[in-house]
Amino acid sequence: GNSVTQMEGPVTLSEEAFLTINCTYTATGYPSLFWYVQYPGEGLQLLLKATKADDKGSNKGFEATYRKETTSFHLEKGSVQVSDSAVYFCALSDPGTGNQFYFGTGTSLTVIP
Amino acid sequence: DSGVTQTPKHLITATGQRVTLRCSPRSGDLSVYWYQQSLDQGLQFLIQYYNGEERAKGNILERFSAQQFPDLHSELNLSSLELGDSALYFCASSVGPTRQETQYFGPGTRLLVL
Repeated sequence: GNSVTQMEGPVTLSEEAFLTINCTYTATGYPSLFWYVQYPGEGLQLLLKATKADDKGSNKGFEATYRKETTSFHLEKGSVQVSDSAVYFCALSDPGTGNQFYFGTGTSLTVIP
Repeated sequence: DSGVTQTPKHLITATGQRVTLRCSPRSGDLSVYWYQQSLDQGLQFLIQYYNGEERAKGNILERFSAQQFPDLHSELNLSSLELGDSALYFCASSVGPTRQETQYFGPGTRLLVL
């Protein structure tokens, strides 16, 4: 079946530190991969996505590369800011298993000044 | 602002009651998705509608039902409410029916069952 596994949080970093949030997946077909972000008190927002192997999604300084060989889609940012404090969700949609999105459990990030 | 609206923002009710949550998708989007987010189960996909028809079903309880109307807004009905139904309910929308499309999320309805 399909599933997404994220590193457990919470993660606390100092401003300007390097961020990595690990995400690995299992899928029966060739999924598209997503990172969503949820700021406090708000709904989820799409952060970036990649639809095929070796694609790199990027947005707002965040990047993630679709690695089929390691079934991973790790989120990275070179220098985090306080405003990046949020919960980050990795997700996949697999055309082989119907119209469902599969979300990871979310990783809470707090950036301190 | 994603363009997806949900009402009400907060809802407090008692066990055994029935509530209706409402979602209006982004202009031009034909698909609506419902999700439940709770502390112990994370974000769970409930159901998807596309252009008025049920498209996919996830972990939706039999006490819950949904529909999408001709104007494309959707309602999620929760009945015989239990304490464990307390959660944040999100609606999302996308343009078409395919699973690879970007979903745009509304701000959510926070339901508290006492």
